[in-house]
Amino acid sequence: EVQLLESGGGLVQPGGSLRLSCAASGFTFSNSAMSWVRQAPGKGLEWVSAISGSGGSAYYADSVKGRFTMSRDNSKNTLHLQMNSLRAEDTAEYYCAKGYCTSTSCHPLDALDIWGQGTMVTVSS
Amino acid sequence: QLVLTQSPSASASLGASVKLTCTLSSGHSSYAIAWHQQQPEKGPRFLMKLNNDGSHSKGDGIPDRFSGSSSGAERYLTISSLQSEDEADYYCQTWGTGIHVFGTGTKVTVL
Repeated sequence: EVQLLESGGGLVQPGGSLRLSCAASGFTFSNSAMSWVRQAPGKGLEWVSAISGSGGSAYYADSVKGRFTMSRDNSKNTLHLQMNSLRAEDTAEYYCAKGYCTSTSCHPLDALDIWGQGTMVTVSS
Repeated sequence: QLVLTQSPSASASLGASVKLTCTLSSGHSSYAIAWHQQQPEKGPRFLMKLNNDGSHSKGDGIPDRFSGSSSGAERYLTISSLQSEDEADYYCQTWGTGIHVFGTGTKVTVL
């Protein structure tokens, strides 16, 4: 069964840091591009970042650029999101998602076809 | 600027059909999109990838009641034979140079 399981969320003070993880199973992780998407309470989905299968290319939303870093450990089928200089507006449920693969490639900028259940991040003093 | 526009809400009776629209911003009418469903208190679920020619590929286990179509800059999701479990938020998603973009979502109510 294809599965994504996020962890690492919690309560952090403004200016603090947090590291999220996403454990993947049921598919060839190293071939797959991955993304993080967040959802503030009562709001819609907001893309945060994406990374290629090798980890060689990463993309970020302007709202997190310079503060968040996405990485992956293909030997452990795990995705990470290091979040620094956190702000109240970063409060959200954070989802990891797998990128869609065609018959020939899996690009970081394509549909997202598998989603995790999310981990909640609350930034508050 | 790459933007997706969705109506905030839609409703239809149990067993009827509803058609949702996602409109691509000017200059982006050839873009593919994806449709996602988010039931209350759950994570999103991929429904399908929809190309500008109307061809689409659905996620595993997505019922035939869900179908997609395209016309110009508009991308559609039609849900036939509405069930109570179809009451959810529906988001369209696209991607461009270095970014992903989500629409604001359409809340579907089953009457």
